[in-house]
Amino acid sequence: KNEVEQSPQNLTAQEGEFITINCSYSVGISALHWLQQHPGGGIVSLFMLSSGKKKHGRLIATINIQEKHSSLHITASHPRDSAVYICAVRGGGGADGLTFGKGTHLIIQP
Amino acid sequence: DTEVTQTPKHLVMGMTNKKSLKCEQHMGHRAMYWYKQKAKKPPELMFVYSYEKLSINESVPSRFSPECPNSSLLNLHLHALQPEDSALYLCASSQPGGPKNIQYFGAGTRLSVL
Repeated sequence: KNEVEQSPQNLTAQEGEFITINCSYSVGISALHWLQQHPGGGIVSLFMLSSGKKKHGRLIATINIQEKHSSLHITASHPRDSAVYICAVRGGGGADGLTFGKGTHLIIQP
Repeated sequence: DTEVTQTPKHLVMGMTNKKSLKCEQHMGHRAMYWYKQKAKKPPELMFVYSYEKLSINESVPSRFSPECPNSSLLNLHLHALQPEDSALYLCASSQPGGPKNIQYFGAGTRLSVL
């Protein structure tokens, strides 16, 4: 079973700071997801990566398949970015469930 | 429409009750998932349905019984639950095998077992 480790577990930063959240996994995967969960439960899929780098607005996600490592970056952070960010991996290319990291609880202070 | 709709949003039930959670999507996805999330923990996979057939059961107790009556609908039938089953139950869907096999999540049903 894949072990997914995230760091840091908790992060408090000031508005405008550049944020980096890291994720590593133990076994080869078909894809890695970055998810955002707000208090109350709903999960939003931010990125799905199998190689390289993706950018959406102020969010950037990268993955290094050889090193089994991914990072999520937030530029010009804003209080509305405060949420739990979760890294999750999928083993196969079909209908495989996700294995989740424990999440990073991010607070952006004004 | 990228919405996965879960009902009810909240459910309180006794240990002798029978209730059902419902999940619906109209994105044409042929894979649907149930996850369980305890407070301050990451979600854990329970079941996967692929093309309306149960493909993964992560050793979930039989008091949880999934059902996929059609490609748009996924149910989770609950019977004789224990207080430790109180959690957020999340449904997700995806199109298996495609290049954009992204899982879309519902808002969840928050279940309390008394």
